Amino acid sequence: DAKTTQPTSMDCAEGRAANLPCNHSTISGNEYVYWYRQIHSQGPQYIIHGLKNNETNEMASLIITEDRKSSTLILPHATLRDTAVYYCIGTSGTYKYIFGTGTRLKVLA
Amino acid sequence: NAGVMQNPRHLVRRRGQEARLRCSPMKGHSHVYWYRQLPEEGLKFMVYLQKENIIDESGMPKERFSAEFPKEGPSILRIQQVVRGDSAAYFCASTTNNGQGFEAFFGQGTRLTVV
Repeated sequence: DAKTTQPTSMDCAEGRAANLPCNHSTISGNEYVYWYRQIHSQGPQYIIHGLKNNETNEMASLIITEDRKSSTLILPHATLRDTAVYYCIGTSGTYKYIFGTGTRLKVLA
Repeated sequence: NAGVMQNPRHLVRRRGQEARLRCSPMKGHSHVYWYRQLPEEGLKFMVYLQKENIIDESGMPKERFSAEFPKEGPSILRIQQVVRGDSAAYFCASTTNNGQGFEAFFGQGTRLTVV
């Protein structure tokens, strides 16, 4: 499974786009990139995942670089409820998620 | 369609007692994961199970901890002779398949406090 690197924390103004980067330079060809978030002490919540194409759903967009060594999660219009720890995970094979320390996103009013 | 259900939500045990944590996966899901989260830390993988089969238990402590996912009923994480260091939030997740491209759905966790 790919080792991922994320900034420890980020701030974003409410209503603005939040762009959360993730480096996964060791990712292999069959590994997907997943994003989850954990709001306060709740269970992690799935956001989005992708292999090599950019992806979009009702929550966010995922931009994966052509060489697949990094990706960016975009929350188009951040709200206070998006304040959470965001985890980027690369995984394959037995589908075991290894959570790193994530990025603590604080959305400011 | 109910989500992943974990019970109890909060569990208090005295040192030396046993703790049994239950996880009912989402309907149609045949794969379950257990994670542990210590206060102010990230989630640590413990075990990955399919019905009646342990696929990967590389994150489970060698002693006192066991997990099962029977053909019928919930998955159980069992901690024998609990110690204060076992105090943590335990999260269960379920998914439909162990292949690629399937998201896991997490429960709200069981918060174990050992006194």
